[in-house]
Amino acid sequence: EVQLVESGGGLVQPGGSLRLSCEASEFAFSNHAMSWVRQAPGKGLEWVSAITGSGGNTYYADSVKGRFTISRDNSKNTLFLQMDSVRAGDSAVYYCVKDHGHNYGSWFDPWGQGTLVTVAS
Amino acid sequence: QSVLTQPPSVSGAPGQRVSISCIGSSSNLGAGYDVHWYQQFPGTAPKLLIYANSHRPSGVPDRFSGSKSGTSASLAITGLQAEDEADYYCQSYDGSLSGSGVFGGGTKLTVL
Repeated sequence: EVQLVESGGGLVQPGGSLRLSCEASEFAFSNHAMSWVRQAPGKGLEWVSAITGSGGNTYYADSVKGRFTISRDNSKNTLFLQMDSVRAGDSAVYYCVKDHGHNYGSWFDPWGQGTLVTVAS
Repeated sequence: QSVLTQPPSVSGAPGQRVSISCIGSSSNLGAGYDVHWYQQFPGTAPKLLIYANSHRPSGVPDRFSGSKSGTSASLAITGLQAEDEADYYCQSYDGSLSGSGVFGGGTKLTVL
């Protein structure tokens, strides 16, 4: 069974940094684009960032562009999200999701269990 | 304000049929991008319900169906059951936003 396990969430001060990780298993990791999707408490889903299977192309929502960096280590089947200059509005559960294809742009399945990021002083 | 527009809530009695709309524009659904639907129960991660407009993943009951036409899409649920009470989200891509993924605001389905 395909598994995605996020880690790295927690409490961070405004302006601080945090690095999220997502360990993937039971599928050919490098063959699939991956994304991060977040959900603020009581709110809807917001796509944050994506990376192609090879890692050669990355995409960002305007709300995080220039502050967040997505990357992957295909040798370790792990996806990362480096979050810098965080703001209160970045507080959310962050989900790691597997894209159906190698190139970003299809459906998300499955989703990890999520990791909670809280930005507060 | 979400790029894709969904009604905040819908409701129906057990056994009835309900539908949830997802309205986009010429830069997303109207540009030919597929729409996908997810189901989310409180406190859990979303789950893929419909992909590529109308396809059901293995294990999803055929009571759930999807369609897309032009700049809009819809999710239909027939034979409504109490266990269908959840939040539903549509998702696609938008060519005007550098190919950004976009979600609808979500629809809360209440089974009366």
